[in-house]
Amino acid sequence: DIQMTQSPASLSVSVGETVTITCRASENIYSNLAWYQQKQGKSPQLLVYAATNLADGVPSRFSGSGSGTQYSLKINSLQSEDFGSYYCQHFWGTPYTFGGGTKLEIK
Amino acid sequence: QVQLQQSGAELVRPGTSVKVSCKASGYAFTNYLIEWVKQRPGQGLEWIGVINPGSGGTNYNEKFKGKATLTADKSSSTAYMQLSSLTSDDSAVYFCARDSSGYMDYWGQGTSVTVSS
Repeated sequence: DIQMTQSPASLSVSVGETVTITCRASENIYSNLAWYQQKQGKSPQLLVYAATNLADGVPSRFSGSGSGTQYSLKINSLQSEDFGSYYCQHFWGTPYTFGGGTKLEIK
Repeated sequence: QVQLQQSGAELVRPGTSVKVSCKASGYAFTNYLIEWVKQRPGQGLEWIGVINPGSGGTNYNEKFKGKATLTADKSSSTAYMQLSSLTSDDSAVYFCARDSSGYMDYWGQGTSVTVSS
């Protein structure tokens, strides 16, 4: 199975700051990567698919990058509604696996 | 608009089974796969498996073979996941999600399953 290592596990930041979350795959996943945001008690919401494509309705302050085994999610000028947990997921063959998550908290 | 409406929370006894439903609306049910994902309290996301509602074909995470059974009813646009021989390790929130070529673009609201005597 492909392992997804996500970092950092948690992050304390202020509104207006820029953050980057990274995900490393145990093998090349050829940009078959998605990012999700999850608020407490809610279901995950798709942010980015195929490593760099923003899902419908996702603000342009979010961006995805990467290739091969290394991927990143960048959030520019954090807004209060951006706080929550973030997960990466590969879809280069089953079983799909998720990163361990990054909890983004308000400083 | 695309919606996936899951069944309500369940409190079940150890050793029994539970069946969670996921009713799709707003799109052609048989045109998209349905994924199932587990999330234990305070933990991350774990892929259980996927079903093709059109053909009934399934693909499971090895870890959930024998534990989860995925089915779908085209007539009611509803996907189901049955969990058997329940233990405390099965206490979790279970999500269904629409698969859009591997990534999950719409999610149900989640169904909490609590296994307790």
